[in-house]
Amino acid sequence: GESVGLHLPTLSVQEGDNSIINCAYSNSASDYFIWYKQESGKGPQFIIDIRSNMDKRQGQRVTVLLNKTVKHLSLQIAATQPGDSAVYFCAENGRNSGYALNFGKGTSLLVTP
Amino acid sequence: EPEVTQTPSHQVTQMGQEVILRCVPISNHLYFYWYRQILGQKVEFLVSFYNNEISEKSEIFDDQFSVERPDGSNFTLKIRSTKLEDSAMYFCASTYLEGAAGFDEQFFGPGTRLTVL
Repeated sequence: GESVGLHLPTLSVQEGDNSIINCAYSNSASDYFIWYKQESGKGPQFIIDIRSNMDKRQGQRVTVLLNKTVKHLSLQIAATQPGDSAVYFCAENGRNSGYALNFGKGTSLLVTP
Repeated sequence: EPEVTQTPSHQVTQMGQEVILRCVPISNHLYFYWYRQILGQKVEFLVSFYNNEISEKSEIFDDQFSVERPDGSNFTLKIRSTKLEDSAMYFCASTYLEGAAGFDEQFFGPGTRLTVL
């Protein structure tokens, strides 16, 4: 079936560096693509979303890029901080899925001082 | 800031027993969801609920699962006869409106860890 997946299971970066987390998707009918952050022992927390008719969206220290040609989504975190250490999930959300979120497998980001 | 709450935080049960997981969504939200996350795996959609009925359910949500909104604040997930493979974190989520004017963020609760022995 349709799937959302991640390229790398773990990513280790130094504090202050920029981080890039990648995701591949297969459902071209998705309306939105979303990034969630999950800290240990907590539920997923919304970071940023991007509509399927956009290719870039910026938030506070985060940028999401969407490449529909190759069905690729990325999350860029600027000046990564220790508090950014978490598992990051991409997800897709579309009318044909009843607005349920279809999550990818997750990338663990570890920020070292 | 409003948040989704879930009880209990951890539930241990024997195989074959019934469990009820409870959630209190954000008060003005209209759509409610249950997801589960088996240890080390991705978050998986179970069911969505709107206007007092199931809106959508996944293949995981079979006849042993049911949901209910017994009053104006609680949203429950019942597993009638638990199996070992039901051991997971169960997350409740809610959102205000189904994306008619844009993406509506789903707010997740902290989860209930279900352990089936």
